[in-house]
Amino acid sequence: GENVEQHPSTLSVQEGDSAVIKCTYSDSASNYFPWYKQELGKRPQLIIDIRSNVGEKKDQRIAVTLNKTAKHFSLHITETQPEDSAVYFCAASTDSSASKIIFGSGTRLSIRP
Amino acid sequence: DVKVTQSSRYLVKRTGEKVFLECVQDMDHENMFWYRQDPGLGLRLIYFSYDVKMKEKGDIPEGYSVSREKKERFSLILESASTNQTSMYLCASSPGTFLLLGTNVLTFGAGSRLTVL
Repeated sequence: GENVEQHPSTLSVQEGDSAVIKCTYSDSASNYFPWYKQELGKRPQLIIDIRSNVGEKKDQRIAVTLNKTAKHFSLHITETQPEDSAVYFCAASTDSSASKIIFGSGTRLSIRP
Repeated sequence: DVKVTQSSRYLVKRTGEKVFLECVQDMDHENMFWYRQDPGLGLRLIYFSYDVKMKEKGDIPEGYSVSREKKERFSLILESASTNQTSMYLCASSPGTFLLLGTNVLTFGAGSRLTVL
């Protein structure tokens, strides 16, 4: 089955700097890669997702890149702000509507003022 | 607004008890999931269901079973609770329209924190 590895487990960056979180996956059949953000005490929410027919996707300060050959994808947050502090999870699945969604172990991002 | 409601936010049970965790979604979603969240281990899939009475094992199904008799309700059952099942349990649902929308967004419930003594 699919295995998703996520690094680093914790990340601390200065406010205004960029943050990068990396994930690798094992199943070459996976072609849908969402990212979820979980603020303290709240439920995870989708922030961005990408399909394998696209190499990069941006939404304001966040972007995701995908290297399907190497089986890795990354989340990039630019101009970090205090409200970016949260746990971020990457995930992978196939593009079937009845597909498992397998998550990585999470990255706790802290933004230093 | 999609809602996924988990019936219990906090439960305390004793070893060997049978435990039911209930989850209800109100948006006619096809897919429902149960995840377990532990620090440093992320969200681990226990079971998911893509249709009424249909289920598939996730990565850690041992010690758990599920029931989906109605489309809106997905129950997680611990037949005989053990201390290593102390955890946060998250239910989620998704529309199952990936081929139509190109996305398969999970909507999570607020979680059920289970302590087994």
